[in-house]
Amino acid sequence: NAGVTQTPKFQVLKTGQSMTLQCAQDMNHNSMYWYRQDPGMGLRLIYYSASEGTTDKGEVPNGYNVSRLNKREFSLRLESAAPSQTSVYFCASSDKTGALIPLHFGNGTRLTVT
Amino acid sequence: RKEVEQDPGPFNVPEGATVAFNCTYSNSASQSFFWYRQDCRKEPKLLMSVYSSGNEDGRFTAQLNRASQYISLLIRDSKLSDSATYLCVVNNGYGQNFVFGPGTRLSVLP
Repeated sequence: NAGVTQTPKFQVLKTGQSMTLQCAQDMNHNSMYWYRQDPGMGLRLIYYSASEGTTDKGEVPNGYNVSRLNKREFSLRLESAAPSQTSVYFCASSDKTGALIPLHFGNGTRLTVT
Repeated sequence: RKEVEQDPGPFNVPEGATVAFNCTYSNSASQSFFWYRQDCRKEPKLLMSVYSSGNEDGRFTAQLNRASQYISLLIRDSKLSDSATYLCVVNNGYGQNFVFGPGTRLSVLP
């Protein structure tokens, strides 16, 4: 049981380049999320998808776009990378919204923008 | 004020010690609470959900005080393998609003 799988694990981009982070879950979860984690900041929500076909902005959506391709997959795209987007990115999923439903995380993508 | 705040740490304790972490949250509408553990350069993993009446899982005990908007995590008989960062997570039950605290780092020393 793979859980939540993210690719790539590491990436170095130059300012202005674009890339897509891929995420897939095999737990049949309805909700999927993209977070970024920066030192001293905790995890911050970029975008989320409550169900297939829907996406919504989180706390820090600027500079990012997302696609919920199907129930399993939720991708995050950086159209024009900036050094401020250097971070660790985590994809997560949960079964449904509501109390005491935890998040399950992927392994993370370490992105450096130079 | 941050929505979820935790003890700043780091906590350095000897093996076998008991250590307690505190977490406060500002949104009184918060409905669910979790403790996650995150190892260095790894993803957060669920340690335990926190129930209203408090709950225990082996050496770990979580408590919730809604009146004071406070959550705690107690670790008894600390092991070297408990060394990690502990994240307090609060959800208001609406939409996708999981709010993470900044984490408290624990080092258990031999």
